[in-house]
Amino acid sequence: DAGVTQSPTHLIKTRGQQVTLRCSPKSGHDTVSWYQQALGQGPQFIFQYYEEEERQRGNFPDRFSGHQFPNYSSELNVNALLLGDSALYLCASSRDEDGYTFGSGTRLTVV
Amino acid sequence: EDQVTQSPEALRLQEGESSSLNCSYTVSGLRGLFWYRQDPGKGPEFLFTLYSAGEEKEKERLKATLTKKESFLHITAPKPEDSATYLCAVEGTSYDKVIFGPGTSLSVIP
Repeated sequence: DAGVTQSPTHLIKTRGQQVTLRCSPKSGHDTVSWYQQALGQGPQFIFQYYEEEERQRGNFPDRFSGHQFPNYSSELNVNALLLGDSALYLCASSRDEDGYTFGSGTRLTVV
Repeated sequence: EDQVTQSPEALRLQEGESSSLNCSYTVSGLRGLFWYRQDPGKGPEFLFTLYSAGEEKEKERLKATLTKKESFLHITAPKPEDSATYLCAVEGTSYDKVIFGPGTSLSVIP
C-alpha cells in the first residue's frame, strides 16, 4: 500500500517564476494538507483541502494556491516566486480520526 | 494564539543515556497531540497521538505522556539510530490544521 507520494522530489526555479507541486494521498485518505518547512524549523501550515475545497488556510499570501481533484490528489501552486519561498514542501493526507501521514516532500530552491 | 514550543532545541546523548524531550502547548481546545520523527531531507514519520491528560503511549524505546499543558517524549537507553529531529504538534477543536513546534534535534553518540 503506497503512502503519500509527492512529485517532483527536487526543483530549482528562478525568482518570479511559477511552480506546481503534486501530491497523491495515502489510499483511503480524503483530506490533503500542505506545509512549508524552512531549514531547521518545524513545518508551517499552508492550507487543507477536503471534498475539492479549501477548508482551512494558514498565514500565507495569495501567491500560494491549491487544488484537489476528484481522486483526492492535490496540487500546490506558487506564483511570483521569491527567494524566501525556498523550502521543503510537505503534503500530508488524513481521513477522519486517522493520524496525518506525510510524504517525503519536494525540495524547492529559488535562485 | 495557539502555540507549540519544544525544549531543548538540541540534545546530545551517549548511547544508553536516557532522557526526555519537552513539548509545551497552548490551545483553546485540544483534539490531539502528535509526536513525529523526522530524518534529514525526509517527511515527518508518525510516532504517537495523545488525546487527553494522563494518557501514555509506548513504542520500543520511546514513551509519550500528556498533561494539560505539556507532553514529554521519554527515550530509554537510546541507540544511534534514534538520532533525528523529534517534532511535536497539536490539533485544536476549533480548526482543521496541525500546528507544529520547532523540533528537538537528538544526536545519540556510540
